Amino acid sequence: GENVEQHPSTLSVQEGDSAVIKCTYSDSASNYFPWYKQELGKGPQLIIDIRSNVGEKKDQRIAVTLNKTAKHFSLHITETQPEDSAVYFCAATTGGYQKVTFGTGTKLQVIP
Amino acid sequence: DAEITQSPRHKITETGRQVTLACHQTWNHNNMFWYRQDLGHGLRLIHYSYGVHDTNKGEVSDGYSVSRSNTEDLPLTLESAASSQTSVYFCASSELGRGLLNEQFFGPGTRLTVL
Repeated sequence: GENVEQHPSTLSVQEGDSAVIKCTYSDSASNYFPWYKQELGKGPQLIIDIRSNVGEKKDQRIAVTLNKTAKHFSLHITETQPEDSAVYFCAATTGGYQKVTFGTGTKLQVIP
Repeated sequence: DAEITQSPRHKITETGRQVTLACHQTWNHNNMFWYRQDLGHGLRLIHYSYGVHDTNKGEVSDGYSVSRSNTEDLPLTLESAASSQTSVYFCASSELGRGLLNEQFFGPGTRLTVL
């Protein structure tokens, strides 16, 4: 089955700096890569996703890149703000049956 | 507004007891999922369902069961609770059927402690 590795497990940045979270996946058939943000005491919420036919996608301060050849994808957050502090999960799926494999999460702390 | 709810939010039980965690969604989604979240493991899939009377095992299904008698509900049952099942449990749902890729909407979670 699919295996998703995520690094780093924790990340501290100063407010205004950029944050990068990296993930690798094992199944070359995976074609959908969502990113979820989980705030304390809440369930994960989708913040951005990318499909395998696209190399990069941006939404305001967040962007995701995908390298299918190397089987890795990354989340980039620019101009970080304290409200960006949360746990971020990457995920991968081969689609079809909507079964998603999640990474182990990155706890991001933005220091004011 | 449509939503997905879980109950109870917190539960303490004893080893060997049967426990059922409820999940209810008003999105009218076909697909529903149960995950457990543990430190160092992220979210791991327990069971999932693509529609009424359909259930499937995920990667950590031992000791858990689900049933889907209607679109809105997917209760998760721990047949005989074990300390290893102490975790935070999340239910999720997504809209469309097989072959299509869609966002999963998560509930607020249930924190289960097995003593």
